[in-house]
Amino acid sequence: GIQVEQSPPDLILQEGANSTLRCNFSDSVNNLQWFHQNPWGQLINLFYIPSGTKQNGRLSATTVATERYSLLYISSSQTTDSGVYFCAAAGGGTSYGKLTFGQGTILTVHP
Amino acid sequence: NAGVTQTPKFQVLKTGQSMTLQCAQDMNHEYMSWYRQDPGMGLRLIHYSVGAGITDQGEVPNGYNVSRSTTEDFPLRLLSAAPSQTSVYFCASSYSAGLAGGREQFFGPGTRLTVL
Repeated sequence: GIQVEQSPPDLILQEGANSTLRCNFSDSVNNLQWFHQNPWGQLINLFYIPSGTKQNGRLSATTVATERYSLLYISSSQTTDSGVYFCAAAGGGTSYGKLTFGQGTILTVHP
Repeated sequence: NAGVTQTPKFQVLKTGQSMTLQCAQDMNHEYMSWYRQDPGMGLRLIHYSVGAGITDQGEVPNGYNVSRSTTEDFPLRLLSAAPSQTSVYFCASSYSAGLAGGREQFFGPGTRLTVL
C-alpha cells in the first residue's frame, strides 16, 4: 500500500511565527487530506487537496502530485494552532476512501 | 446536524469480553469507516463501508466485525477483547469516497477503550 511520511516530527514555535509541514507519499494519490488533532483529541479536517493549492484563512496547502509531496503552511501561528497535524492519502489503485495516515507533526505554539 | 457521534466515550473491558462501539451520522453520508489510534501513532483503518449492506476490511481488521444495515449507523464489534485492542477508536464519514467533491472525511469524538 501507499506509504505516507511527515516531517518534521516535532515543531516548537513562538506565537506569530510561520511554519511549513511536509508530507511525502510513495505512489500516485486520488485522495489527500490534512487534519488537525487538537489537545482534546478531536480531529478536524483542514483540506482535501489531491493536487493544486488551497487557502483557508491563515492556513494554506499545496500538493505537487507529480513529485509526490504536499505542504501545509501555517502563517502567524496562534496558541490554538497547537496539536498534531496529520496528512492522509489514498491511491496506488486502492479505494479512494482507504486513507493511510502519516505519523503526524506535533506542533507546540508558545505565547 | 449532530455530525458524527460515537458512544460510549470511555469503556473498560476485561480480556475476553465482547462489546459494540456505536457510530452514527446524520449527514446522509455514503462512506463510513473505523480507525484506531495508538499512542504516538497515526490512525490505522480497521473497516470501512461504501454504503448500506457493503463493508470491507482495512489495514487492521483482525478481532473486529462490522455491519451496515442503515446509511446512518456503522457499529464496530469487538468479539473477544484483548489488551492489544486498548486504543482510541474513531469513526469517520464522507459524502461519497467515489466522487472527488465528496471525499472530505469528518470524524467523531472518539471512544477511549482499555482492555485489562
